Amino acid sequence: DSGVTQTPKHLITATGQRVTLRCSPRSGDLSVYWYQQSLDQGLQFLIQYYNGEERAKGNILERFSAQQFPDLHSELNLSSLELGDSALYFCASSVTDYPYEQYFGPGTRLTVT
Amino acid sequence: AQKITQTQPGMFVQEKEAVTLDCTYDTSDQSYGLFWYKQPSSGEMIFLIYQGSYDEQNATEGRYSLNFQKARKSANLVISASQLGDSAMYFCAMREGTGGFKTIFGAGTRLFVKA
Repeated sequence: DSGVTQTPKHLITATGQRVTLRCSPRSGDLSVYWYQQSLDQGLQFLIQYYNGEERAKGNILERFSAQQFPDLHSELNLSSLELGDSALYFCASSVTDYPYEQYFGPGTRLTVT
Repeated sequence: AQKITQTQPGMFVQEKEAVTLDCTYDTSDQSYGLFWYKQPSSGEMIFLIYQGSYDEQNATEGRYSLNFQKARKSANLVISASQLGDSAMYFCAMREGTGGFKTIFGAGTRLFVKA
């Protein structure tokens, strides 16, 4: 157990809907990262937050947004969902914003039908 | 443009033998970091090892070592004394720059350890 928690574990929703994925980092970690893993695009870095502020942005669609709250948990919001958004979404955390190691959550499996 | 290449889609290794998983990268930055992750069939992602571009020595973590050849832009993962539990997907990744964590991943190598 990495100490990073993600909810829900599985999510099934329809096209056009909006969902929120939640992540709680390890105790003491200030940085949170979101990743998307799909069969056609592989693993992609989406976005990083450090102590509440956006730190780095990857291939995150405009339909997606994220935030990190004062208690350091983070949420990834996915809207106007398309079939292609079906993927495994990982959250990871680290102590600093320039990590030498990362701890991953178990992931949220999103299925868009 | 930043790029990570893992040329071995799948590899087999005999239990207790060593195996090398290849990773080459392309970047114009002087400062970057290289990571290896393991993803077992259960799906979780496990961080294995990190190498900074200015690190003079190869990184090691237990049975994992990173063979860093900067001039050749390669960062191969060496797993010594393979175990059945090492069967998994392995991803090489690179972070560029000195701020934040914009990172790209390779396509991965699936390792099969034979008893």
